Amino acid sequence: GGIITQTPKFLIGQEGQKLTLKCQQNFNHDTMYWYRQDSGKGLRLIYYSITENDLQKGDLSEGYDASREKKSSFSLTVTSAQKNEMAVFLCASSMGGRGAETLYFGSGTRLTVL
Amino acid sequence: GDSVIQMQGQVTLSENDFLFINCTYSTTGYPTLFWYVQYSGEGPQLLLQVTTANNKGSSRGFEATYDKGTTSFHLQKTSVQEIDSAVYYCAMRDRGSNYQLIWGSGTKLIIKP
Repeated sequence: GGIITQTPKFLIGQEGQKLTLKCQQNFNHDTMYWYRQDSGKGLRLIYYSITENDLQKGDLSEGYDASREKKSSFSLTVTSAQKNEMAVFLCASSMGGRGAETLYFGSGTRLTVL
Repeated sequence: GDSVIQMQGQVTLSENDFLFINCTYSTTGYPTLFWYVQYSGEGPQLLLQVTTANNKGSSRGFEATYDKGTTSFHLQKTSVQEIDSAVYYCAMRDRGSNYQLIWGSGTKLIIKP
């Protein structure tokens, strides 16, 4: 088995601040994902990466940057945090990026912007 | 565009009650359909997967059935237990979404002890 580790678990920032969330996986999976989870809205894809140094935009990429410098890690940057923004950011990985591969998720980073 | 609708935001049941959660989807292709479960403090994990070829899937006492005629798929369990309290998400993957998952909004299941 493997695990996905997201750091930090809780992140509190100020309006306009640049904030970075980190994700590590030891599954040796090719594809990694960042999702945003808002209450009552399901999961929305921000970025995904099918291999090291690859980046693909999801539906919610505006306001975010991502980086995949190693196969095992995928980071997400909130470029300018918005006041009253509160959401959980979930990192996931899968063996491939198409078809019926299962996604494995971390336990999330909860963001609060003051 | 492709979409997944999950109307039940919250379901409250007693132990040993029957569970039924429904999702409807919209796509022009032949999707693979999923149910993920998210327990408190954790990320979602795959519960079931159903393809248009096999119509049904089952795991851990849960069963998922897909109906192409009504473009719906539902999750059911005959007798829920308190440990089943969680948020249940339906999701769809299809060529139209570049094979990325499209998620429903989730159904929170509360089991009264």
